[in-house]
Amino acid sequence: DVQMTQSPYNLAASPGESVSINCKASKSISKYLAWYQQKPGKANKLLIYDGSTLQSGIPSRFSGSGSGTDFTLTIRSLEPEDFGLYYCQQHNEYPWTFGGGTKLELK
Amino acid sequence: EVQLQQSGAELVKPGASVKLSCKTSGYTFSNYYMSWLKQMPGQNIEWIGNIYGGNGGTGYNQKFKGKATLTVDKSSSTAYMDLSSLTSEDSAVYFCARETFGGWFAYWGQGTLVTVSS
Repeated sequence: DVQMTQSPYNLAASPGESVSINCKASKSISKYLAWYQQKPGKANKLLIYDGSTLQSGIPSRFSGSGSGTDFTLTIRSLEPEDFGLYYCQQHNEYPWTFGGGTKLELK
Repeated sequence: EVQLQQSGAELVKPGASVKLSCKTSGYTFSNYYMSWLKQMPGQNIEWIGNIYGGNGGTGYNQKFKGKATLTVDKSSSTAYMDLSSLTSEDSAVYFCARETFGGWFAYWGQGTLVTVSS
């Protein structure tokens, strides 16, 4: 199975700041990486797929980059609603696997 | 609007089985795969397996073979997951999620909490 390692585990930032979350695959997954946001009481939200394709309805302050084994989710000019948990998922091969998550907290 | 409505929380005894449901609406059920995923408290998300709404064809994560059984009822556009021989390691939130042919999940259910306790 492809192991996905996210960093950092925790991230504290203020509204208006920009942050980056990293995801590393144990082997090349080409461009096939998705990012999700998880918040209590809400359905998980798909942000990015295919490494950099923004899901419909997601604000353009979210962007994804990378290929092969190293990927980054960048959130520019944080809004209050952006705080929560973020997960990466490789969709290159079965079984689909997820990173351990990054908690984005308000500083 | 695509909606995935999962069944309510379950409290089950060790050794028992439980059947979770995921009722869908807003799209053609038979045209998509439905995946099931597990998230233990404070842990990452694990993919259990998927089932095609059209013909009930399944694929499982080797880790969950023998633990989970996926089925569908096309007439009610509902997906089901049976979990058997439950232990404390099965206590988790279980999600259904509509899988695209590219392998990502654009729509998720709200999750069902399963607690295994005597």
